[in-house]
Amino acid sequence: EAQVTQNPRYLITVTGKKLTVTCSQNMNHEYMSWYRQDPGLGLRQIYYSMNVEVTDKGDVPEGYKVSRKEKRNFPLILESPSPNQTSLYFCASSSDGTSGSYEQYFGPGTRLTVT
Amino acid sequence: GNSVTQMEGPVTLSEEAFLTINCTYTATGYPSLFWYVQYPGEGLQLLLKATKADDKGSNKGFEATYRKETTSFHLEKGSVQVSDSAVYFCALLPTGNQFYFGTGTSLTVIP
Repeated sequence: EAQVTQNPRYLITVTGKKLTVTCSQNMNHEYMSWYRQDPGLGLRQIYYSMNVEVTDKGDVPEGYKVSRKEKRNFPLILESPSPNQTSLYFCASSSDGTSGSYEQYFGPGTRLTVT
Repeated sequence: GNSVTQMEGPVTLSEEAFLTINCTYTATGYPSLFWYVQYPGEGLQLLLKATKADDKGSNKGFEATYRKETTSFHLEKGSVQVSDSAVYFCALLPTGNQFYFGTGTSLTVIP
């Protein structure tokens, strides 16, 4: 089954404790992306990656890091989480632009609470 | 800059009513436009898309037409069902690879 998986689905942590949210896709997609969803603000793009070893900042990259060492994985790293990073996070993947598709497949979301 | 402005919600309709959710955008060049739907507790799913002016995207009875002259991409459905209750997001992909989403419109359809 074609899917994007994220782990963990729920996480409660404390300020300053480094964490990683994993994302994996099995569709051989080149494009992967991280979003955060906040009430009244919709989805905002954090980082995206067009291919292995290629990453770019989205609208709200501050406080986040990503890496793309393999095509299928795109982990999101919070090195020193703060309460304002409490949010619902989504990973997504899509085929690249040459196909004209850009349909993004979203993971189920990770609800993060930073106290 | 690039942005999406979406109709404020929440929207509550009776079953079989007509639905319109407004979406306007600001972008340079010739962006692609999308509507995504999010059902409770799930990630977003692509509902429909349009990649050039005057294109009409359609799926599951929903339609939206890419209007460059009014920079709009309004979502419509002639007869909504209870199962259409969800949050709907308009999204923009300008030239480049960064997506922009609207704030989402919550739709509740009552029997």
